[in-house]
Amino acid sequence: SQTIHQWPATLVQPVGSPLSLECTVEGTSNPNLYWYRQAAGRGLQLLFYSVGIGQISSEVPQNLSASRPQDRQFILSSKKLLLSDSGFYLCAWSVALRQWRTEAFFGQGTRLTVV
Amino acid sequence: QKEVEQDPGPLSVPEGAIVSLNCTYSNSAFQYFMWYRQYSRKGPELLMYTYSSGNKEDGRFTAQVDKSSKYISLFIRDSQPSDSATYLCAMRLIQGAQKLVFGQGTRLTINP
Repeated sequence: SQTIHQWPATLVQPVGSPLSLECTVEGTSNPNLYWYRQAAGRGLQLLFYSVGIGQISSEVPQNLSASRPQDRQFILSSKKLLLSDSGFYLCAWSVALRQWRTEAFFGQGTRLTVV
Repeated sequence: QKEVEQDPGPLSVPEGAIVSLNCTYSNSAFQYFMWYRQYSRKGPELLMYTYSSGNKEDGRFTAQVDKSSKYISLFIRDSQPSDSATYLCAMRLIQGAQKLVFGQGTRLTINP
């Protein structure tokens, strides 16, 4: 069965510090990978998605970047965090080959607080 | 106008009640619809998916899609306190980008 790991679960970082959140998927090959952000009381905002190694699509211009160094690894980064980067970050994957069924499966999320 | 609109609630009902959660959408090209349940401080988990108009049942849950009205619903029968969570609708185009578009989520509380 497929599993998705996301860490850390919580993170408190000062303004201006760097960020690195990691996500890995097990039990599947060539998944589509996603980073979402969820602000309090709001829906999920898609930040980045990737259909393959080194292929990153950015949905929203921002202070963040993403990388996919390996097939099942997705990393969210920032060089200098802003207060507005606080939120709940979720990694997700979906099956790439079955175009008619691309429901996403989520990790447990990272709650980031920038202070 | 947002692509997907969902009443954020909060919605509070007594145990055993029938719950109706709704989303409307503006893009008639959306063809594939999902409902997710999210407990506090956890990632969303997939509840149901469907791609055709009509009803789909899974236990106490029924997903309803009306493409002509661009309206989807999730019904929960015999609601339980364990159903207390935020429910998010999501949808995507059959062709094109792989991304899902989510509603804002409805926060639901089932009172014992």
